[in-house]
Amino acid sequence: AQSVAQPEDQVNVAEGNPLTVKCTYSVSGNPYLFWYVQYPNRGLQFLLKYITGDNLVKGSYGFEAEFNKSQTSFHLKKPSALVSDSALYFCAALSYGNNRLAFGKGNQVVVIP
Amino acid sequence: SQTIHQWPATLVQPVGSPLSLECTVEGTSNPNLYWYRQAAGRGLQLLFYSVGIGQISSEVPQNLSASRPQDRQFILSSKKLLLSDSGFYLCAWSDDHNNSPLHFGNGTRLTVT
Repeated sequence: AQSVAQPEDQVNVAEGNPLTVKCTYSVSGNPYLFWYVQYPNRGLQFLLKYITGDNLVKGSYGFEAEFNKSQTSFHLKKPSALVSDSALYFCAALSYGNNRLAFGKGNQVVVIP
Repeated sequence: SQTIHQWPATLVQPVGSPLSLECTVEGTSNPNLYWYRQAAGRGLQLLFYSVGIGQISSEVPQNLSASRPQDRQFILSSKKLLLSDSGFYLCAWSDDHNNSPLHFGNGTRLTVT
């Protein structure tokens, strides 16, 4: 079975500081990994994905994520957080041949001015 | 470009009344379609997904049903709403290949009173 863990409920960071949102996964075989962001009362927006190749993936709005196979992690990062980055962030994973994404429970990110 | 439309944005319905939420996708053909529910605690629950017209997979037994009468139309229904059906309902689509990301609509906030 596929599963995704986002161990922190909320991440607080000062504006301008680096932001990291943690994610670990459990899937059989090689994983496909995704990050999404959700603003209040809106749907989820796709940020980036890892399929294969370079372990560092760059996405929208200056976000990037690093795939670490040995640690089964896919942490989301941004070098300098903005107040507008305050939102709910979801990590998701699936394995080849599976139609159903496994989502983490989400992390609330609060960027403090 | 592809777009997804979901309506209504908010809905207040009494217990025992019927429900019909509609989702349509434009700019693509033969998409995979999904209905998710997001409870107040933020987690996403996959309710139904469809890989083609008339093909519906149900993930969780419940008071809801889904139909796909046309290639790019996905409908979520209930004959009699329960209080526990309250939540934020999200429709999503993806291309018909395994590593395609989901693209979400803006959701419907349903309150059953």
